[in-house]
Order: sequence, then C-alpha cells, then structure tokens
Amino acid sequence: QVQLVESGGGVVHPGGSLRLSCTTSEFTFSIYGMHWLRQAPGKGLEWVAFVRYDSSAKYYTESVKGRFTISRDNSKNTMYLQMNTLRVEDTAVYYCAKSPSNWYFDVWGRGTLVTVSS
Amino acid sequence: QSVLTQPPSVSAAPGQKVTISCSGSSSNIGNNYVSWYRQLPGTAPKLLIYDNDKRPSGIPDRFSGSKSGTSATLGITGLQTGDEADYYCGTWDSSLTAVVFGGGTKLTVL
Repeated sequence: QVQLVESGGGVVHPGGSLRLSCTTSEFTFSIYGMHWLRQAPGKGLEWVAFVRYDSSAKYYTESVKGRFTISRDNSKNTMYLQMNTLRVEDTAVYYCAKSPSNWYFDVWGRGTLVTVSS
Repeated sequence: QSVLTQPPSVSAAPGQKVTISCSGSSSNIGNNYVSWYRQLPGTAPKLLIYDNDKRPSGIPDRFSGSKSGTSATLGITGLQTGDEADYYCGTWDSSLTAVVFGGGTKLTVL
C-alpha cells in the first residue's frame, strides 16, 4: 500500500529553522512530482511547494519564497522541506502529497505539526 | 481570502443530493483541471475527483464533478451521515504559478 510519512515537526521560536522529511514506500517515487501542503489550525488547505520528479523544477507559494526549500533524494525515496526564518504564521500541520499529474494529489501523508511560538 | 470561492457551508438530509460550487477565473479553473478533496475531522484530505470529473479507484459514483467556464461543481447523492466533512476544490493558477484552493465547504447531513 502506498505510504507517505512526514516527520520533523515540532516547536520552534520565530526566526528558527526546521527540516521536514517525507518518507515514502510502495510506489516508484522517482517518477512522480511531490508536494508539501499545510493547514493552519482551524483553517483551510494551503499549497506550499512542489518538486518535479527529477528536481528539474520547483515551485513555491509566495509567502515562503526565499525561506523554504523543497528537495528530494530519489535514492532514498524521500522528500524534504527545509524551513528557515520561521514565522508565527507558518504554524500548521504540514502534509506531503504525491501528484500523478495535472496538479492534483492522490495520496497524502498524515501530517506533522509545526508550531512557531515564542 | 482564498483564490477560489466556495460556500462556507451546505446542508441536506440523509438520502438527498447536495452540490458544492467552486468559482474562479480564467487563470485557474478556466484553463486548468479541477480536483476535489474531502477532509474528515482530524484526518488528512482524501482525493474525490480529479481532472474535473474523474473518480479515483474506490470512490463511489455517488460523487461527481463537473466544470463549466470558470466554475466547478461537486455533487454528492444519497447523502450519508458519514459524508459530514469539509470539502475543498483545487486547481493550478497559471498567473500565480501556484496551486490554489477554495476556502472549504462544511457539509452537514441533517
């Protein structure tokens, strides 16, 4: 069964950094685009970033450009999100998701909570 | 303020049909495929519809999707209490070069 498992969340002070990981299994990771999305407490879904299957293209939502970096290691079937200069408004559950094509998400992880607080 | 507009809430009785609208513009819905997701409380979203009107394996035909111009609609027939959840539409926005979502619609099955 296709599985995505996020890890690396936690509590961090404003201005701090965290690195999220998305470990995958039971599908050919290297041929799929992958995304990070997030959901602030009590709020709706927000797309964060995308990395193409071969890392040749990366896209970010405006609010994280210059602060977050998405990457992947196809040899480890794992995707990452390096988050720097974190802000209180980055507090959310972060999900990784698999994308077959056309910008939709067919498999989601359970999420990892990131809390940015002083 | 979400790029796509959904009604905050809809409700209907068990067994009835409900539709959820999703309105956008030519830079998103008008020229890109729409997908729909259901999120039960405390769980990750689940894909219901992709490419405007296609259902993934395992999604019953009670769920349907359609698109016309810059709007899309999710239909759910034979409502069950288990359908109570938040529903989101999403698509690519060519101007923003970003995936955008609606603000979500809370479905209540009375």
